[in-house]
Amino acid sequence: EAGVVQSPRYKIIEKKQPVAFWCNPISGHNTLYWYLQNLGQGPELLIRYENEEAVDDSQLPKDRFSAERLKGVDSTLKIQPAELGDSAVYLCASSLGISETQYFGPGTRLLVL
Amino acid sequence: GNSVTQMEGPVTLSEEAFLTINCTYTATGYPSLFWYVQYPGEGLQLLLKATKADDKGSNKGFEATYRKETTSFHLEKGSVQVSDSAVYFCAGGYNKLIFGAGTRLAVHP
Repeated sequence: EAGVVQSPRYKIIEKKQPVAFWCNPISGHNTLYWYLQNLGQGPELLIRYENEEAVDDSQLPKDRFSAERLKGVDSTLKIQPAELGDSAVYLCASSLGISETQYFGPGTRLLVL
Repeated sequence: GNSVTQMEGPVTLSEEAFLTINCTYTATGYPSLFWYVQYPGEGLQLLLKATKADDKGSNKGFEATYRKETTSFHLEKGSVQVSDSAVYFCAGGYNKLIFGAGTRLAVHP
């Protein structure tokens, strides 16, 4: 069974540029999560989807970050414009449902110059 | 609010040594508890989990017991290998996981 797929794996951009990350969850997983992992720290939840509905986006900086999961499968996380402090690893995870075990993708490492 | 605290690293051990990485949690009720491992250049992989008090999770020689009395979920392995070198994250929660800061383990031959 394929795991959570993320792309790109690495991204280098200049500040003020836009950037987008893509995630394909494990087949059949209704719940999808985006996490932010800063260097030397544990992941922190940005947003959680139940199918196509964002049910917890309280930690998402909505002035520059947006996310969508239009058909309840793939998801895209966007930053516009990017700032130097956004340099981090962006992790996507999925689970069968709420409170089920979360499985993580390899992450996208973003460097903002 | 809920929180997870784990011992700071790095932890440096010789091969075949005994490993303990401490983890304690603060939460309302008794959430599920997890240990994830992150190998260099890779994403987080679930190592083991426990969903209720007194449960013991185990995998690949690693074990952790959900201790309600001490609100702990310490990770142990009797004999570590060089291939166990990685960063280990303790996490807990219901529908939202709270992660510890991670503990880097380096095992030398």
